[in-house]
Amino acid sequence: KAGVTQTPRYLIKTRGQQVTLSCSPISGHRSVSWYQQTPGQGLQFLFEYFSETQRNKGNFPGRFSGRQFSNSRSEMNVSTLELGDSALYLCASSPGRWGTAYEQYFGPGTRLTVT
Amino acid sequence: ILNVEQSPQSLHVQEGDSTNFTCSFPSSNFYALHWYRWETAKSPEALFVMTLNGDEKKKGRISATLNTKEGYSYLYIKGSQPEDSATYLCAFIGGRGGGGADGLTFGKGTHLIIQP
Repeated sequence: KAGVTQTPRYLIKTRGQQVTLSCSPISGHRSVSWYQQTPGQGLQFLFEYFSETQRNKGNFPGRFSGRQFSNSRSEMNVSTLELGDSALYLCASSPGRWGTAYEQYFGPGTRLTVT
Repeated sequence: ILNVEQSPQSLHVQEGDSTNFTCSFPSSNFYALHWYRWETAKSPEALFVMTLNGDEKKKGRISATLNTKEGYSYLYIKGSQPEDSATYLCAFIGGRGGGGADGLTFGKGTHLIIQP
């Protein structure tokens, strides 16, 4: 079974631009969550999507948004990029929501650098 | 903002020794606790999902316990091997009144180095 894939793997953007990151979950998984990892803040939860609906959202500004498609693939969008958005963005998928007994499987991440 | 603390922050252990570390979390509105292992240049890997007070889970030489009433979980590694070197993260999932999960908060991790 193929693992979680994320595209692109690396991205360099300029302040003020917007960016879209993509995540393809493991086949059959319906839950996709997004996380931001920075040296200072560690790993922080962004959103959880299940069956095309956002079920939970972390403490991030409205510039961070996401969506999930009917095939469970998910995209994350960051508008008006700031230098502080430079981070590793990870997505994870699981068969069910992570509040249950399901484990999450992480993708390799997208390294975003904002200059 | 929830307080999820992991201690110690880093740990050096001799190969063959056993070790343990702690994840502390709010004792109210508990829904689930996850443990992950994150090796350098790899993705986090799920170790355990713990949902019930008193849960004890085991995977090979690694085991974990959960005390939701006092708000802590221990992760134990027996007979440490160099391949155990990684950052171990816990993630607390709070409960929403009326049912359902309400957010996920990671601890900062325990960085474990096994010395041959």
